Amino acid sequence: GAVVSQHPSWVICKSGTSVKIECRSLDFQATTMFWYRQFPKQSLMLMATSNEGSKATYEQGVEKDKFLINHASLTLSTLTVTSAHPEDSSFYICSARVGGPGQANYEQYFGPGTRLTVT
Amino acid sequence: EDQVTQSPEALRLQEGESSSLNCSYTVSGLRGLFWYRQDPGKGPEFLFTLYSAGEEKEKERLKATLTKKESFLHITAPKPEDSATYLCAVQGGYNQGGKLIFGQGTELSVKP
Repeated sequence: GAVVSQHPSWVICKSGTSVKIECRSLDFQATTMFWYRQFPKQSLMLMATSNEGSKATYEQGVEKDKFLINHASLTLSTLTVTSAHPEDSSFYICSARVGGPGQANYEQYFGPGTRLTVT
Repeated sequence: EDQVTQSPEALRLQEGESSSLNCSYTVSGLRGLFWYRQDPGKGPEFLFTLYSAGEEKEKERLKATLTKKESFLHITAPKPEDSATYLCAVQGGYNQGGKLIFGQGTELSVKP
């Protein structure tokens, strides 16, 4: 199956600082990647859809100026949490879609996640 | 509104005791139904994608089936290593950009 990596796997930062999380598709090209956050004992909540070479599409209620997404290549998307606060502490997971937007059948693979703790 | 409901929320089985997890969905124009396994502190691991009613897929002790309203994940003779949270997700609509809508998951515990 396709492999998606994330870096770092965990990070601790101080309130007010910014943190960048990388998501890479290792053995395939992904025109579309997705960013989720997950709270303990809860399911995944989609934050935004990242398309290579264009602006990300954010879900309702997600602050685009706080969660900056860049998808500069077909194998890399980044999520930057700006001016982080303790309430931003969460498990952030990315996924990458195998198969282009026009294809009927496709699969979506997830990275291992990044645990962010803001103190 | 597209919606996914999984049941039960939690399931405890003895090793070897077969059972099924349910995923009911409401979606306009189903483009795919996905099953994932998630272990604590890790990202979801892809299991299956089903595209049309009547489709079935198998992988080791797992078998996924799909109807027009729901999907089942059958677990045959489970082992303790099958313990995890199982997530169901759907992709619907032709202008959704590939977004997945997740259910809340079923937490499976298999005791030896």
